[in-house]
Amino acid sequence: EAGVTQSPTHLIKTRGQQATLRCSPISGHTSVYWYQQALGLGLQFLLWYDEGEERNRGNFPPRFSGRQFPNYSSELNVNALELEDSALYLCASSWGLGEGPYNEQFFGPGTRLTVL
Amino acid sequence: EDQVTQSPEALRLQEGESSSLNCSYTVSGLRGLFWYRQDPGKGPEFLFTLYSAGEEKEKERLKATLTKKESFLHITAPKPEDSATYLCAVQATGFQKLVFGTGTRLLVSP
Repeated sequence: EAGVTQSPTHLIKTRGQQATLRCSPISGHTSVYWYQQALGLGLQFLLWYDEGEERNRGNFPPRFSGRQFPNYSSELNVNALELEDSALYLCASSWGLGEGPYNEQFFGPGTRLTVL
Repeated sequence: EDQVTQSPEALRLQEGESSSLNCSYTVSGLRGLFWYRQDPGKGPEFLFTLYSAGEEKEKERLKATLTKKESFLHITAPKPEDSATYLCAVQATGFQKLVFGTGTRLLVSP
C-alpha cells in the first residue's frame, strides 16, 4: 500500500515569493494535516482538511492557506515568503473523524522549503 | 494549553544497553498519545498509539507505556539501526491536531 506522498522534495524561493506544496494521502484516507518543522523546533500544527473543507488551523498567519481537492489530495500555499518560513513541511493523513485507529496520522517524507 | 515535554534531549547508548525515554504531558482530556520515530531529513514514522492509563504496546525492541501524566518508551537491547529521533505527541479530546514534544535524539553505538 502506497504511503503519503509529497512534492516537491525540495523547494527554493526568495523572500516575498509564493510557494505551493502538494500532498497525496493514503488511499481511503479523507483527512489531511499540514505541520511545520523548523530547525530546532518541534512539529507545529498548521492546517487540517477533511472532506474538502478546512476544519481547523493552528497559530499561523493567513498567508498560510491551502485546499483539499475532491480526490482528497491537498495543496499548501505560503504567500509573501519570509526567511523564517524555511522549514520541513510535513503532510499527514488519517481515516478522518472517528476513534481508535481512525485517529492515527501517517506522515509523508516532507518538502524542504528554503527561503533566501 | 496542551503541552508535551520529552527527556532527555539526547541519549547515547552502547549496543545492547537498555534504557527509557520519557514523555510528560498536560492535556485537557487525553484522546490519544502517539509515538513516532524520525530519521534525519525524513517524515515521522508511526510507532504506537496509547489511549488510557495502564495501556502498554510492544513492537520488536520497543515497548510504550502510559500513565495519567507521562509515557515511557523502553528500548531493550538496542541496535545501531534504532538510532533516530523519537517523537511523542498528544491529541486532546475533541481535537484532531497532534501536539508534539521536541523529541529525544537517540544514538546507539556498536
